[in-house]
Amino acid sequence: EVQLLESGGGLVQPGGSLRLSCAASGFTFRSHAMNWVRQAPGKGLEWVSGISGSGVSTFYSDSVEGRFTISRDKSKNTLYLLMISLTAEDTAVYYCAKDLWDNIPSYAMDVWGQGTTVTVSS
Amino acid sequence: QSALTQPASVSGSPGQSITISCSGTNNDVGGYNLVSWYQQNPGKAPKLMIYEGTKRPSGVSSRFSGSKSGNTASLTISGLQAEDEADYYCCSFAGSDTHVVFGGGTKLTVL
Repeated sequence: EVQLLESGGGLVQPGGSLRLSCAASGFTFRSHAMNWVRQAPGKGLEWVSGISGSGVSTFYSDSVEGRFTISRDKSKNTLYLLMISLTAEDTAVYYCAKDLWDNIPSYAMDVWGQGTTVTVSS
Repeated sequence: QSALTQPASVSGSPGQSITISCSGTNNDVGGYNLVSWYQQNPGKAPKLMIYEGTKRPSGVSSRFSGSKSGNTASLTISGLQAEDEADYYCCSFAGSDTHVVFGGGTKLTVL
């Protein structure tokens, strides 16, 4: 079964840092681009960051560029999102999501994790 | 403000058809055949319903179809069922700089 399992969310103070993890199983992790998508309470989906299957290419939304770093560990089949300088506006459920195609990005996300909640508050 | 524009809500009765629009620009929806649609139920992760504008993943009902005209993509649900009530989001590739953008979401109510 193809599965994504996020972890690492929690309560953090403004200006703090957090690292999210997403453990992948059931597919060839190294072949698929991966993404982080977030959803603030009561709001819509917002694409945050993406990374190629090789890990060489990374992409960020303007709202997180320079503060968030996406990475992947092929040996552990795990995707990461390091978040620094967090603000209240970063409060959201963070989902990791797998790109549909292998080797060539489709920009469609066919498998999603259950999400991990990040709350930025003093 | 979301990059792609969707109606906040649509509604229909069981058995009817509804269409949700997703308006973008030449830099996203109109520039690529890379629009996807997601269904999200409360408290759940999104589910891919349409990719590359018109294609359905395995397991998605044929009642769901996608189309595009110019800078506007559309999701049509035919033969509405109570289980279709959910939030729907469009998404598009938007070039190497912006990369991926979502619409603001549309709440579908089955009357």
